[in-house]
Amino acid sequence: EPEVTQTPSHQVTQMGQEVILRCVPISNHLYFYWYRQILGQKVEFLVSFYNNEISEKSEIFDDQFSVERPDGSNFTLKIRSTKLEDSAMYFCASMVVTESWYFGPGTRLTVL
Amino acid sequence: RKEVEQDPGPFNVPEGATVAFNCTYSNSASQSFFWYRQDCRKEPKLLMSVYSSGNEDGRFTAQLNRASQYISLLIRDSKLSDSATYLCVVNMYGAGSYQLTFGKGTKLSVIP
Repeated sequence: EPEVTQTPSHQVTQMGQEVILRCVPISNHLYFYWYRQILGQKVEFLVSFYNNEISEKSEIFDDQFSVERPDGSNFTLKIRSTKLEDSAMYFCASMVVTESWYFGPGTRLTVL
Repeated sequence: RKEVEQDPGPFNVPEGATVAFNCTYSNSASQSFFWYRQDCRKEPKLLMSVYSSGNEDGRFTAQLNRASQYISLLIRDSKLSDSATYLCVVNMYGAGSYQLTFGKGTKLSVIP
């Protein structure tokens, strides 16, 4: 069965550092997403991406965040200057039709 | 404003018990509805879609009432392996894309 992959599985960084989280969506999917889940909280929408541009972003997705699909397979989330409150699980998801959403295993980001 | 609300839980039930989860959503324009299962520190995984006509998958039965904006999940003959957090999830079209909105989840522990 096709799957979404994410790397790294766990990233530890110092406050103020830049991090890039990587995702490889399912190859024929057209819509890509990042969600995050702070420990003990609900899964929250960050951003959606379609046709090489952002379709929608939440209020969480401020100027410190950016997304890119540099080579037609990878889909990245960059946090420019990490804050303690960015510590969370970050899930990538891809979709081709609205009934079929696939989530990656997540990257656990720890900001010290 | 809470968009998807679920029973707070946790639910601790003996093996073989029947357990019911409830969920309400606030946006009447929501288009599709799901139950996801999430194991500790893992990604959400689709358990089943939910339809107004009701749908059943083995021991799991889901029901949607659009008029009252209410979704339910019934698990019969609970197994130890059913222990997880159950997420009520709603798909709606936002400002520029479809996106999933998650409830906070209800934790289920099935005890021997």
